[in-house]
Amino acid sequence: DAGVTQSPTHLIKTRGQHVTLRCSPISGHKSVSWYQQVLGQGPQFIFQYYEKEERGRGNFPDRFSARQFPNYSSELNVNALLLGDSALYLCASSFGTQTPQHFGDGTRLSIL
Amino acid sequence: QQQVKQSPQSLIVQKGGISIINCAYENTAFDYFPWYQQFPGKGPALLIAIRPDVSEKKEGRFTISFNKSAKQFSLHIMDSQPGDSATYFCAASLNAGNMLTFGGGTRLMVKP
Repeated sequence: DAGVTQSPTHLIKTRGQHVTLRCSPISGHKSVSWYQQVLGQGPQFIFQYYEKEERGRGNFPDRFSARQFPNYSSELNVNALLLGDSALYLCASSFGTQTPQHFGDGTRLSIL
Repeated sequence: QQQVKQSPQSLIVQKGGISIINCAYENTAFDYFPWYQQFPGKGPALLIAIRPDVSEKKEGRFTISFNKSAKQFSLHIMDSQPGDSATYFCAASLNAGNMLTFGGGTRLMVKP
């Protein structure tokens, strides 16, 4: 069975641009969460979606937004990119909101 | 505010030895404590998790010890192998949910 898939794997953007990252959960999983992992640090929670509704939001500015589609895939959008947004963005899926999460391998975003 | 503090930042262990990684948390409402293993270029993978109603949980060579009164928990890797060389993260969440707060990570190197 396929695991959590994220696209693209790598992305280079410049300051001020907009980016969209995509995530396909494991088949049957209805919850998707997004995390930001800065190099050398632990992942930091950004959003959780379950059944297409936002269930939680971390301490990130409004430039960050997300949504979940009827097929449970998800997008993370970041506007007005800053140098500090350079990080590995991880998507995790789970069957429910209190079940083990499975992470994808992330999208490496570099801001020039 | 870092709510989960992890130590040490790096650890070198000889093959066959015991690797011990410690975490301390501040929020007494946390009730789910997983450990993740991350290899370079990969997303975190769930190793083992514990709820606060037990003081120890063992799965194969991996054991979590939990001390609720001290607000501390630790990961023990018995018979450490070179293949265990990776970065390990502890995490915690509320209501056994999936909005995880991660520690800063421990880079483990097991020497042959």
